[in-house]
Amino acid sequence: AQSVTQLGSHVSVSEGALVLLRCNYSSSVPPYLFWYVQYPNQGLQLLLKYTSAATLVKGINGFEAEFKKSETSFHLTKPSAHMSDAAEYFCAVSKTNFGNEKLTFGTGTRLTIIP
Amino acid sequence: GAGVSQSPRYKVAKRGQDVALRCDPISGHVSLFWYQQALGQGPEFLTYFQNEAQLDKSGLPSDRFFAERPEGSVSTLKIQRTQQEDSAVYLCASSLRFSGTTYEQYFGPGTRLTVT
Repeated sequence: AQSVTQLGSHVSVSEGALVLLRCNYSSSVPPYLFWYVQYPNQGLQLLLKYTSAATLVKGINGFEAEFKKSETSFHLTKPSAHMSDAAEYFCAVSKTNFGNEKLTFGTGTRLTIIP
Repeated sequence: GAGVSQSPRYKVAKRGQDVALRCDPISGHVSLFWYQQALGQGPEFLTYFQNEAQLDKSGLPSDRFFAERPEGSVSTLKIQRTQQEDSAVYLCASSLRFSGTTYEQYFGPGTRLTVT
């Protein structure tokens, strides 16, 4: 079975400060990992994904994540927070990256940006 | 192009009523997923279609839940005799699967179901 754990259901950072959202995974097979963002009353949008090609993954809107097998982690970072980053962020894991395998999501982290 | 659309966006049902939620995937997308997102939680997998074939329905919480995709495009999630615990946002996602190639799941805006 696969699972992800997101530490911190709420994170607040000041505008311009570093954003760090934590995700740890558990998987019996090599995992494929994803970060999604959800704005109010909207669907999920893919930020970035890890597919074993590179451990440091760059995504949209200046976000990036690093896959660390030894720590079973896939934390999401952004060097400088912007007001528009305020949203709910979900980490997810899958057995494949072919779009035909279900995603298992964490419980989410709500990011608040302080002006 | 158009994304995944879902209707209705909001649905209020009295306990015991039947509801039907519709998903229009991106044209040509082979794979279609339904997820349930309870308040304050992450989405949880319900069922998966490849074209018209329902290949995985392991996430459906009870036999009151039924999904279909008869022509391999539009899908309907039906919930019979709704209960309060069915209140959630129901998300639909579609993707284009081709062996050896990677594709992401594109999500619709969801249907918020409230059972009173």
